[in-house]
Amino acid sequence: GAVVSQHPSWVICKSGTSVKIECRSLDFQATTMFWYRQFPKQSLMLMATSNEGSKATYEQGVEKDKFLINHASLTLSTLTVTSAHPEDSSFYICSASRTSGGEGETQYFGPGTRLLVL
Amino acid sequence: QKEVEQDPGPLSVPEGAIVSLNCTYSNSAFQYFMWYRQYSRKGPELLMYTYSSGNKEDGRFTAQVDKSSKYISLFIRDSQPSDSATYLCAMIHTGGFKTIFGAGTRLFVKA
Repeated sequence: GAVVSQHPSWVICKSGTSVKIECRSLDFQATTMFWYRQFPKQSLMLMATSNEGSKATYEQGVEKDKFLINHASLTLSTLTVTSAHPEDSSFYICSASRTSGGEGETQYFGPGTRLLVL
Repeated sequence: QKEVEQDPGPLSVPEGAIVSLNCTYSNSAFQYFMWYRQYSRKGPELLMYTYSSGNKEDGRFTAQVDKSSKYISLFIRDSQPSDSATYLCAMIHTGGFKTIFGAGTRLFVKA
């Protein structure tokens, strides 16, 4: 159980276009979803946290108008990179958490989406 | 000072060796400690999950938490080439769910 999928797994786009990445929890309801970005040989950098039905909370330095997050349901969150530029090329990973009865929230990660902006 | 410090390595060991991976942290409010394994170009997968201090064992993996020293470890026994990956430690504050990750340690197990 606790499977998280991401689509697409990789995408190549032209500079200036927008790209949408989907994150789905397949067999559980995710109260919270997280979006991370990872540069080569670096750790995960949290971009934003989203709860179903409310606005996402962005980390300092992350442009909310550029990285649009929509948490449409308890099983789906989307990240849209608007007007993508080559410096947006990266590995984007989502994770989802569910309440676990008083224990700390464990995050279940998706497989990641590799974005290349030409 | 970073909240979580982890040596990025790389760490190279022969097959069958015992591997010790470590993280230190500065915030005593951390209560939940995790280890993730990430293969190249893949998302991280949860390996071990520990609450507060103590040891937890799962097969060849043992997670250890020493809250007095603010130090956590992951031991891998009888290491295999398939264990070659990046290992990230992660921690959660009491009452929160924002997870703080270490930078990850790259491990190479040579056959």
